[in-house]
Amino acid sequence: GQNIDQPTEMTATEGAIVQINCTYQTSGFNGLFWYQQHAGEAPTFLSYNVLDGLEEKGRFSSFLSRSKGYSYLLLKELQMKDSASYLCAVRSPSGGGADGLTFGKGTHLIIQP
Amino acid sequence: DVKVTQSSRYLVKRTGEKVFLECVQDMDHENMFWYRQDPGLGLRLIYFSYDVKMKEKGDIPEGYSVSREKKERFSLILESASTNQTSMYLCASRQIALGNQPQHFGDGTRLSIL
Repeated sequence: GQNIDQPTEMTATEGAIVQINCTYQTSGFNGLFWYQQHAGEAPTFLSYNVLDGLEEKGRFSSFLSRSKGYSYLLLKELQMKDSASYLCAVRSPSGGGADGLTFGKGTHLIIQP
Repeated sequence: DVKVTQSSRYLVKRTGEKVFLECVQDMDHENMFWYRQDPGLGLRLIYFSYDVKMKEKGDIPEGYSVSREKKERFSLILESASTNQTSMYLCASRQIALGNQPQHFGDGTRLSIL
């Protein structure tokens, strides 16, 4: 079966750095996605990792270790608008849907002034 | 930019009604998906479609059906709405040309069944 774990909720301070972890156990692996979802809005694509290492996009970076079944999303210079849920999704041959994608339950990130 | 449009942001229906949720994408994407999202349960896949005229059950298809008569449109149908189908419904689409293509989501329909 597929299992994806993320913390339910995290709190961080404006201007600081926060790391949101995602661990997964899947049958096979074809890539990992991170999405951002503001309350009442659509999830929007943030990053994609398929090889080990760090992918950087401005204030956001995503890391993958396939051998450990582990990824994290790193947010730097936090802004109030970063308050949102962050969804980790893993693509695998045995995952659901047309593209084998399984979503974690998401991490609700609260940014405090 | 990819645009996935869901016909209603908010919808209120009564128990037993037949409910139609419409989704249209403008990027000629092959794959389309319907999810529901509930607090503490995350995104759960209801139905998906590989391409026009095709449909497949997801993880929670009971009480739902779908229709994909045109490539750009994927409809979710609640045959006889029940209160446990009150939820946020999200439609998504994806191009299959490259393996790393993400799913693109609509803004969602918050459906209340009274």
